[in-house]
Amino acid sequence: DAKTTQPPSMDCAEGRAANLPCNHSTISGNEYVYWYRQIHSQGPQYIIHGLKNNETNEMASLIITEDRKSSTLILPHATLRDTAVYYCIVRAAGSARQLTFGSGTQLTVLP
Amino acid sequence: DAGVIQSPRHEVTEMGQEVTLRCKPISGHDYLFWYRQTMMRGLELLIYFNNNVPIDDSGMPEDRFSAKMPNASFSTLKIQPSEPRDSAVYFCASSLSRRSSEQYFGPGTRLTVT
Repeated sequence: DAKTTQPPSMDCAEGRAANLPCNHSTISGNEYVYWYRQIHSQGPQYIIHGLKNNETNEMASLIITEDRKSSTLILPHATLRDTAVYYCIVRAAGSARQLTFGSGTQLTVLP
Repeated sequence: DAGVIQSPRHEVTEMGQEVTLRCKPISGHDYLFWYRQTMMRGLELLIYFNNNVPIDDSGMPEDRFSAKMPNASFSTLKIQPSEPRDSAVYFCASSLSRRSSEQYFGPGTRLTVT
């Protein structure tokens, strides 16, 4: 699975959009980008995933660059409850292997 | 659905004792994963099952750890004998094979070995 690089921490004002970047320059053609988050003391939570097109669901939007070497997770209106560690994971879909979690980005939403 | 259920939520035991952690996956899910999380090592996979059969146990740290899945709705992770370095949060997760990358995690069991 391709390696990902994320900033260790970010702050965001409540009500504003939170944009979390992820670099995955060695991603291969069959690998998807997944985002999970872990709120303190809870289990990780799936957010969204995508291959090459931008994706949106009720939680977030995922923007993947045309060359697929980087992506951005967007939380459109961050709330205090979005404070968590956000993990960007790259791997091939279709095989139920384990998720390899890196260090992630600690997002702190400020009141 | 209630989601993935783990018990106990907290466990404190003395070194040398046997510890059993329990997991009930989401009904209908055919993959089950056990992860461990520590400050030093982050989240790491211990073992996973498909249709109750262990597929990859390369993450199990040593013979003191064992995991079973006797049926589709129940799995255990056992540590015998336990050691202080086993102190961690243990997560169970499950997924559907057709959407295998969307793993659903339980609340975890916080284990403290004194």
